[in-house]
Amino acid sequence: EVQVVESGGGLVTPGGSLRLSCAVSGFSFSHAWMNWVRQAPGKGLEWIGIIKSKSDGGTTAYAAPVKGRFVISRDDSKNTLYLQMNNLQTDDRGIYYCTTYDSYFFDSWGQGMLVTVSS
Amino acid sequence: DIQMTQSPSSVSASVGDRVSITCRASQGISSLLAWYQQKPGKAPKLLIYAASSLQSGVPSRFSGSGSGTDFILTISSLQPEDFATYFCQQAYSFPVTFGGGTKVEIK
Repeated sequence: EVQVVESGGGLVTPGGSLRLSCAVSGFSFSHAWMNWVRQAPGKGLEWIGIIKSKSDGGTTAYAAPVKGRFVISRDDSKNTLYLQMNNLQTDDRGIYYCTTYDSYFFDSWGQGMLVTVSS
Repeated sequence: DIQMTQSPSSVSASVGDRVSITCRASQGISSLLAWYQQKPGKAPKLLIYAASSLQSGVPSRFSGSGSGTDFILTISSLQPEDFATYFCQQAYSFPVTFGGGTKVEIK
């Protein structure tokens, strides 16, 4: 069974930084493309970005609102995905989900991690 | 970016009802569409992928149809555990985009 567990959320002041981690087990993480998706309080889902497997180039792509501020990386030796968030703004608050990506769709999700940006 | 428009934004229905939710893409996306179910305080769950393929473990009362720009999620006989919010998602091009969601409420 695939398990996805996020950690690292919390409260940060505007302009601050935070790093989220996502530990994955139960499948071949090193071959997987992984994503981050977020959800503002009471709102819909917003894709943040993707990282390909190293065998597929390991490249990343980001949504416009976070491009240049957020960085997705991975450590295949630890089966862990990361989201480094810099220059956080109040609009960045919400629940952040780590998801697996199988044939273009998000098939396994973590429980979500709350990020609060407030002074 | 491809815009995904869901309708209705909410629907009230009773157990046993047939419920249909529509998702329209701003441009053709072939069959690269998924449907997710989200319950309060929980992560979304993949129900349907490639427009009409049922994800493993999902009850057969859920079905999806459509291609191009217009898609439908149908729940053939609504069960108590189906009261939730449903989102569509296009996978045709980046950025991946989601519909605004449809909340299925108890009538």
